[in-house]
Amino acid sequence: DSGVTQTPKHLITATGQRVTLRCSPRSGDLSVYWYQQSLDQGLQFLIQYYNGEERAKGNILERFSAQQFPDLHSELNLSSLELGDSALYFCASSPQVPGELFFGEGSRLTVL
Amino acid sequence: DAKTTQPPSMDCAEGRAANLPCNHSTISGNEYVYWYRQIHSQGPQYIIHGLKNNETNEMASLIITEDRKSSTLILPHATLRDTAVYYCIVRSTGANSKLTFGKGITLSVRP
Repeated sequence: DSGVTQTPKHLITATGQRVTLRCSPRSGDLSVYWYQQSLDQGLQFLIQYYNGEERAKGNILERFSAQQFPDLHSELNLSSLELGDSALYFCASSPQVPGELFFGEGSRLTVL
Repeated sequence: DAKTTQPPSMDCAEGRAANLPCNHSTISGNEYVYWYRQIHSQGPQYIIHGLKNNETNEMASLIITEDRKSSTLILPHATLRDTAVYYCIVRSTGANSKLTFGKGITLSVRP
């Protein structure tokens, strides 16, 4: 158990819909990262937050947005969902930047 | 961040040492070598990292060549539970540096 909690574990929705994935980092970790893993793309870095501020951006689509709240939990919002958004979405936290990342078990999104 | 090259797959016998190679010929002086592994769609797990000295922890050893252009992750006594994809990643010390995963190497431990 890494100490990073992600909800929901599984989510099935339809194209065009919007979903929110939630991440609670390890206690005391200020930095949160989001990754997407699909079968053909591998693990893709999406975005990083540190203590509520965006620090780095990767291949995150404009339809996706994220934020980190004052209590340090983070949410990844995915809108206008397409079939290709079906993937595992991982959140990770880190006690310092840069440092080891501790990953959650992921949220598996299926878009039908 | 510098890129890494890993063979796509390898196997080893249970109980034997697994030596996983990684090339990072363009690594620069402030870049660390990190190893993570991912067991069948679980969240990636941190294993070890190093700058230029060899490192050892309860999971593995990391051997970095003197010129830092390659490294080897050693699992001293592989078990079936070590079957996973292992990622070698080079990462700078900058605050905005990202952990960029490549395709990794699939290690299969056979009974």
